Amino acid sequence: ETGVTQSPTHLIKTRGQQVTLRCSSQSGHNTVSWYQQALGQGPQFIFQYYREEENGRGNFPPRFSGLQFPNYSSELNVNALELDDSALYLCASSREQGGETQYFGPGTRLLVL
Amino acid sequence: GQNIDQPTEMTATEGAIVQINCTYQTSGFNGLFWYQQHAGEAPTFLSYNVLDGLEEKGRFSSFLSRSKGYSYLLLKELQMKDSASYLCAVYNQAGTALIFGKGTTLSVSS
Repeated sequence: ETGVTQSPTHLIKTRGQQVTLRCSSQSGHNTVSWYQQALGQGPQFIFQYYREEENGRGNFPPRFSGLQFPNYSSELNVNALELDDSALYLCASSREQGGETQYFGPGTRLLVL
Repeated sequence: GQNIDQPTEMTATEGAIVQINCTYQTSGFNGLFWYQQHAGEAPTFLSYNVLDGLEEKGRFSSFLSRSKGYSYLLLKELQMKDSASYLCAVYNQAGTALIFGKGTTLSVSS
């Protein structure tokens, strides 16, 4: 196990609702990255947080937002849920930003009906 | 931009050796990663290559050629538990985002 934890493990929502996913980074890691993985695809980068600031963003709309807290844990918020948001959401932590190995948590599987 | 190509599926038998290839295009190279992902689980880090050559770690080895934009993951003495998806990834130029291929699903049979 990597020491990265995520909650909840599974979630069912309906279109238009909002969701908050949580991630605790591995001890000693100050950087958290979020990925979306659709079935049969590789993970797609959503954004990265480093020392409480967004440090890079992928091709996701503004209704995907995040936070990082002083203890380096992080949240991913998705507003106005769409059916296509159904996916596995992965959080990964790394020791620093900039090319370090990322270690993944178990993920949150979100189903939007 | 970045692009990663790897075969979609491979099959092999227990005890055999299998090589999973990955070709990549990137505007700035910050290293290449291999992850293993069992169905319904999170990716698990296997290897990291930043210099050309072979890195060996037990039954798994990874090779990199930066001039060719090419890597492979070599799995020896295959076991049933090696049945999984194997993901090749490189960092974007900023070193923030891992760019993943679609993954190679390996099926090991007895």
